[in-house]
Amino acid sequence: GENVEQHPSTLSVQEGDSAVIKCTYSDSASNYFPWYKQELGKGPQLIIDIRSNVGEKKDQRIAVTLNKTAKHFSLHITETQPEDSAVYFCAEREFYFGTGTSLTVIP
Amino acid sequence: EAQVTQNPRYLITVTGKKLTVTCSQNMNHEYMSWYRQDPGLGLRQIYYSMNVEVTDKGDVPEGYKVSRKEKRNFPLILESPSPNQTSLYFCASSKRFQETQYFGPGTRLLVL
Repeated sequence: GENVEQHPSTLSVQEGDSAVIKCTYSDSASNYFPWYKQELGKGPQLIIDIRSNVGEKKDQRIAVTLNKTAKHFSLHITETQPEDSAVYFCAEREFYFGTGTSLTVIP
Repeated sequence: EAQVTQNPRYLITVTGKKLTVTCSQNMNHEYMSWYRQDPGLGLRQIYYSMNVEVTDKGDVPEGYKVSRKEKRNFPLILESPSPNQTSLYFCASSKRFQETQYFGPGTRLLVL
């Protein structure tokens, strides 16, 4: 399968600070990049996605950027809140998942 | 309520005893998929289905079977489970390929 690398594996931030998670992919033909949030004991839930015809997409405190040339995409969460604490997964083409980032927001 | 349901949620079994994990969606989605989640490995796709009677292998299909006889159901079958299939399993569906995927609550399987 394709290789999606996700960093960091764990991330702790103070409430109100920003959090950034980065992923790299290998297939230049890929054109769909979703991000999922998984809370404890639940299935992943889509929070934002981006297609290769745009470079950035925002939804309130969440944004995703895509650099097709460098083959990497990033999730940005601003003004973090304790309820943002969860595991976040990036994916390439919907079904190749990164290994996850455990985000902890410290009140 | 639009949802993906899986049963059972928890299952303990022994090596070689056939089992089926059911998955059902009520959103009339065409695309359905099974994943397994293991620590440090993220989610890996086992099988997927683009529509009724159309299924194909994902990244880790060995030891698993699926069927898609109806649009809403996509059961996962382990004919002869082994301990290395101990994992957390998720079913997911989407209206079409590369659209928003909705995940079920997960099935935690332990094979002794």
